[in-house]
Amino acid sequence: LAKTTQPISMDSYEGQEVNITCSHNNIATNDYITWYQQFPSQGPRFIIQGYKTKVTNEVASLFIPADRKSSTLSLPRVSLSDTAVYYCLVGVPMNNNAGNMLTFGGGTRLMVKP
Amino acid sequence: SAVISQKPSRDICQRGTSLTIQCQVDSQVTMMFWYRQQPGQSLTLIATANQGSEATYESGFVIDKFPISRPNLTFSTLTVSNMSPEDSSIYLCSVEVWGERNEQFFGPGTRLTVL
Repeated sequence: LAKTTQPISMDSYEGQEVNITCSHNNIATNDYITWYQQFPSQGPRFIIQGYKTKVTNEVASLFIPADRKSSTLSLPRVSLSDTAVYYCLVGVPMNNNAGNMLTFGGGTRLMVKP
Repeated sequence: SAVISQKPSRDICQRGTSLTIQCQVDSQVTMMFWYRQQPGQSLTLIATANQGSEATYESGFVIDKFPISRPNLTFSTLTVSNMSPEDSSIYLCSVEVWGERNEQFFGPGTRLTVL
């Protein structure tokens, strides 16, 4: 399984763009990259998933360089409600009893200040 | 998508007793997963529960301590047996849904405190 490394914590201010980078040097050819968000007293929630280049949805963008050894979650114009822990996962998506995207790394604790 | 509920939401238990946590999903799923999250820590996978077969446990977790049932495609239970204060944690169940993307959905968790 590809091991992931993220910063333990980050601080930001409301309205700023936040970029959280995850390193996964031994990512395998079939591995995808997925980010989850977790608020206190809740289970993690899916944010975004990608394989290569750039993926964008209504809440975030995911940038993946050509070598795929890292990825960057970008949160545009954060608000106080974006204060949470963000986890990067790497692995093969589960489908019909296969896959291994179940290992959570340490996560990044994002604090958004007024 | 999938909506997951867990019971109980929290409990305080005495050392040496056992607690069974229930996980209910609003749709049929092949695999369900049980995680543990200790205060301020990341999630650690305990086991994978496949309907109709024995659960598969991760390193460091054993069936005698964490027996799991999976009687049908929408329900699972995790029992924390012979509890000690070290078992105080949040226990979460999840399912994985494969569609346009591969996504795990998590229950709200069960906060267990062992005295």
